[in-house]
Amino acid sequence: GAGVSQSPRYKVAKRGQDVALRCDPISGHVSLFWYQQALGQGPEFLTYFQNEAQLDKSGLPSDRFFAERPEGSVSTLKIQRTQQEDSAVYLCASSRQGLSTGELFFGEGSRLTVL
Amino acid sequence: ILNVEQSPQSLHVQEGDSTNFTCSFPSSNFYALHWYRWETAKSPEALFVMTLNGDEKKKGRISATLNTKEGYSYLYIKGSQPEDSATYLCAFFMNRDDKIIFGKGTRLHILP
Repeated sequence: GAGVSQSPRYKVAKRGQDVALRCDPISGHVSLFWYQQALGQGPEFLTYFQNEAQLDKSGLPSDRFFAERPEGSVSTLKIQRTQQEDSAVYLCASSRQGLSTGELFFGEGSRLTVL
Repeated sequence: ILNVEQSPQSLHVQEGDSTNFTCSFPSSNFYALHWYRWETAKSPEALFVMTLNGDEKKKGRISATLNTKEGYSYLYIKGSQPEDSATYLCAFFMNRDDKIIFGKGTRLHILP
């Protein structure tokens, strides 16, 4: 596709349920980022991939969060045993260059609500 | 803890008026500053990628300046239009690693 695609757009989960959020970056983009945006906040960095390598996962808030990009294209963010504080919009962004001084291209986000 | 501050948090501007807002960032380890516009129910879109002190960039009625020595960037909108209503995010890129730190955004509302 022409842009970054994220699915699902909306997800409602019961507390304790596992969720998986998918990101299809722009074809050929090397860098892929995941951000979490809580209500009233700016996007907070979660993790960064360069091709299939996860170079930085320091922003993942707990070991319940896991991200992968096994073939250097599609990425999945998995949240295990969801908690209410995980409710947020999860944004995926990709960039053409390996070191992202180039602009980021964002998906529309996946809004997660944990009840 | 590195902070990127945007002010004001929210802004109401009459259609046709010009406006500006600020992004403040650490003046050390600067690599790049990005501005993004995020309209409701859409994806954030890049406005400017700025890398050099003194940079001035323009896209239509929107322009931005960069001062890396004092750690701030201004975004200017001339003759505001309803379609300018959005959240404007700035993002600071450090040279230590590939993390980009976003501000909380300035929410701009254009009043008809």
